[in-house]
Amino acid sequence: EADIYQTPRYLVIGTGKKITLECSQTMGHDKMYWYQQDPGMELHLIHYSYGVNSTEKGDLSSESTVSRIRTEHFPLTLESARPSHTSQYLCASSELGQGSYEQYFGPGTRLTVT
Amino acid sequence: GENVGLHLPTLSVQEGDNSIINCAYSNSASDYFIWYKQESGKGPQFIIDIRSNMDKRQGQRVTVLLNKTVKHLSLQIAATQPGDSAVYFCAENSGNTPLVFGKGTRLSVIA
Repeated sequence: EADIYQTPRYLVIGTGKKITLECSQTMGHDKMYWYQQDPGMELHLIHYSYGVNSTEKGDLSSESTVSRIRTEHFPLTLESARPSHTSQYLCASSELGQGSYEQYFGPGTRLTVT
Repeated sequence: GENVGLHLPTLSVQEGDNSIINCAYSNSASDYFIWYKQESGKGPQFIIDIRSNMDKRQGQRVTVLLNKTVKHLSLQIAATQPGDSAVYFCAENSGNTPLVFGKGTRLSVIA
């Protein structure tokens, strides 16, 4: 069982509100990721980080921002939520080293913007 | 860019039969491949992975086959059970880059 947590699990919010989705992991992983996923569809990478004070944009254009002040914490912020942001947001983490490693996923936050 | 996709969006199998889920990729530099299972309302869960220096790897009831010549990856599930019903994703990367995910195949097990 992966030790990666996301809160809230479900969120319904009105248009224009600012929201922050929380993600924390206790595995000491340097790499962390945020994906956006519509139900049953592919995962789209929106942000990732390879360590403290390191953040990169992913393939999917996003109006969100991230920060990485602590190794274990990688919050995602939407400054002004819109209905088009309605989706599931998945956080993941993995080891940093030579080569590739499994990504561990959190349970996701299902966001609905009304 | 990279293209990691699956041949079939849905697959239905009888309980007890073997399932085969396929995946094609286009990045010949990919050296790591992984299969995830995602149940409704949950995050993806690791099933099995394989590196490009191998062509087959077995786990408990699952086998992953890698054919680098045709850039094809498959997941075989033996004696499929109702609990195997889920969406299955393949993913790949090379070096230290983030995983690139395919579109997913929904497996339905008929009791």
